[in-house]
Amino acid sequence: KQEVTQIPAALSVPEGENLVLNCSFTDSAIYNLQWFRQDPGKGLTSLLLIQSSQREQTSGRLNASLDKSSGRSTLYIAASQPGDSATYLCAVDSGAGNMLTFGGGTRLMVKP
Amino acid sequence: DAGITQSPRHKVTETGTPVTLRCHQTENHRYMYWYRQDPGHGLRLIHYSYGVKDTDKGEVSDGYSVSRSKTEDFLLTLESATSSQTSVYFCAISDQTGGLDEQYFGPGTRLTVT
Repeated sequence: KQEVTQIPAALSVPEGENLVLNCSFTDSAIYNLQWFRQDPGKGLTSLLLIQSSQREQTSGRLNASLDKSSGRSTLYIAASQPGDSATYLCAVDSGAGNMLTFGGGTRLMVKP
Repeated sequence: DAGITQSPRHKVTETGTPVTLRCHQTENHRYMYWYRQDPGHGLRLIHYSYGVKDTDKGEVSDGYSVSRSKTEDFLLTLESATSSQTSVYFCAISDQTGGLDEQYFGPGTRLTVT
């Protein structure tokens, strides 16, 4: 059974700092990995999707990397802003019906 | 934003009553999913559908049933609600064509069973 872990569970940084969020998974036979953002009381917003054949994806200040062999993904946020404060979730698709297994999330606070 | 709506957005119901949550999409995507989100458990898949009348169980399907009679609608039913089903329920969709496997989520339904 696939298990997904995100460390740390919470992170507080000053505005402008570059930061890395970590995601690890136990079964390397994945189809893709998706990073989401969730604001309090809201739904999930898709940030980036990395297919198993890719090593990284970029969108604006966000860069996600994938190392299947080690079971790890990172989400790099450059020049953090208070508006980046949210919970970030990673989810792994192991290919069976495109069902996602989610990590517990990292709650990020960026202080002005 | 992906065209996904969920109704109702909030509901309070009593133990033992039936409850139906609706997910509606305007994207004509083939796959639809129901997840629940709980503190300490994260998001977990309840049921999913891979086409009209085609559904399958997820990780936490006990106590739930689903139906999909049209591409755009996916219904989640709690036949007899219990307090353990108090949660936030999210619907998601994906297309799975041409490598576009991204899942898009609805705004959620907060259900309280008293």
